[in-house]
Amino acid sequence: DTEVTQTPKHLVMGMTNKKSLKCEQHMGHRAMYWYKQKAKKPPELMFVYSYEKLSINESVPSRFSPECPNSSLLNLHLHALQPEDSALYLCASSQPSRDRLLYTFGSGTRLTVV
Amino acid sequence: DAKTTQPTSMDCAEGRAANLPCNHSTISGNEYVYWYRQIHSQGPQYIIHGLKNNETNEMASLIITEDRKSSTLILPHATLRDTAVYYCIVLSYGQNFVFGPGTRLSVLP
Repeated sequence: DTEVTQTPKHLVMGMTNKKSLKCEQHMGHRAMYWYKQKAKKPPELMFVYSYEKLSINESVPSRFSPECPNSSLLNLHLHALQPEDSALYLCASSQPSRDRLLYTFGSGTRLTVV
Repeated sequence: DAKTTQPTSMDCAEGRAANLPCNHSTISGNEYVYWYRQIHSQGPQYIIHGLKNNETNEMASLIITEDRKSSTLILPHATLRDTAVYYCIVLSYGQNFVFGPGTRLSVLP
């Protein structure tokens, strides 16, 4: 299995809703990431988990809450989002070595906040 | 901040070679050059990476200048399916991917 699987593929939520995005990988990677991508812009790093511990939070608002229940799963809990949070949310994983830092990305969840 | 500069967009005729340049004048000795691409509404996909030597795989070739301050990704026979945004990324062990704007390659029939 060489894939990162993200669910759901599409999500529409109201500003008062609570929802979660899910990311799963079975490649044994010990680092996992959330990126946010607005239309026609490059992906922006949000969170980094390394060995199931949050190592980087790129000043993301608290309405986004990441969780890493185990080494294969990464969740992003969403609450009280704003319309400007509508974007493609990408998950990635990696197993870094000194000469090969390959990231595997999922296909993303397209989120629309109404 | 991204450590690379790339043209905003490029066109290429189908069947011809696509040569995508990338400048990374501040690259340090332990940093690799990675190329990824993102086809519309999909996740970024790994293409190739290198440190000093030129590299080739089934997808592309990577030419790195001797001073390592720039590189070129070559798609030898571009097809319509190669239309995508191509990202050149420089990083080393312990760093995280930071995407620059990339180059929007359009392969024209």
